Amino acid sequence: NSKVIQTPRYLVKGQGQKAKMRCIPEKGHPVVFWYQQNKNNEFKFLINFQNQEVLQQIDMTEKRFSAECPSNSPCSLEIQSSEAGDSALYLCASSLSTGREQYFGPGTRLTVL
Amino acid sequence: LAKTTQPPSMEAYEGQEVNVSCSHTNIATSEYIYWYRQVPHQGPQFIIQGYKDYVVNEVASLFISADRKLSTLSLPWVSLRDAAVYYCIVTDIGPNYNVLYFGSGTKLTVEP
Repeated sequence: NSKVIQTPRYLVKGQGQKAKMRCIPEKGHPVVFWYQQNKNNEFKFLINFQNQEVLQQIDMTEKRFSAECPSNSPCSLEIQSSEAGDSALYLCASSLSTGREQYFGPGTRLTVL
Repeated sequence: LAKTTQPPSMEAYEGQEVNVSCSHTNIATSEYIYWYRQVPHQGPQFIIQGYKDYVVNEVASLFISADRKLSTLSLPWVSLRDAAVYYCIVTDIGPNYNVLYFGSGTKLTVEP
């Protein structure tokens, strides 16, 4: 069973507000991924890290989304100015390496009113 | 990245063996096959991965055709807890850093 911890489980924000969610990867997992799953259950990769370094990120992430994985602190994903279309389940996953399976947390469900 | 095709849904009774097929006709030599499943209100859960031939673990087995264009996930003795959406994903561990691109999956319904 996955030991990835995501907080909060639910987040409600108004349009234009900041939304921040956190992820504690499994112990010893240096690789962290963030995915978005929309209400149609479609997944979208957002960004991934190895230790504190960004490996890949999509264009959307580069504009309104910011993420970090500081040493000895939870990883975080923040939306600077929430939009209704950002309402989704945000999933964090961690892995021992980029070539290994990923373990997912339960997600943070963001609702933007 | 190779696109995958799975049946949208399957039904089974408890105790049956379930085989979920996945077609990946354009799979590259650098790509691996992963299976995940997701139940409501939880994140996806890793089931099994493979590159060729046959892989088995405590949860499932995975058969990959000789040309690697077809894989079949086999779940022995399904229970109600196996009801989930099953995702077959093909990805490579090189430049793509093993990012998972989920398709629409196969929704498995298990009847008592």
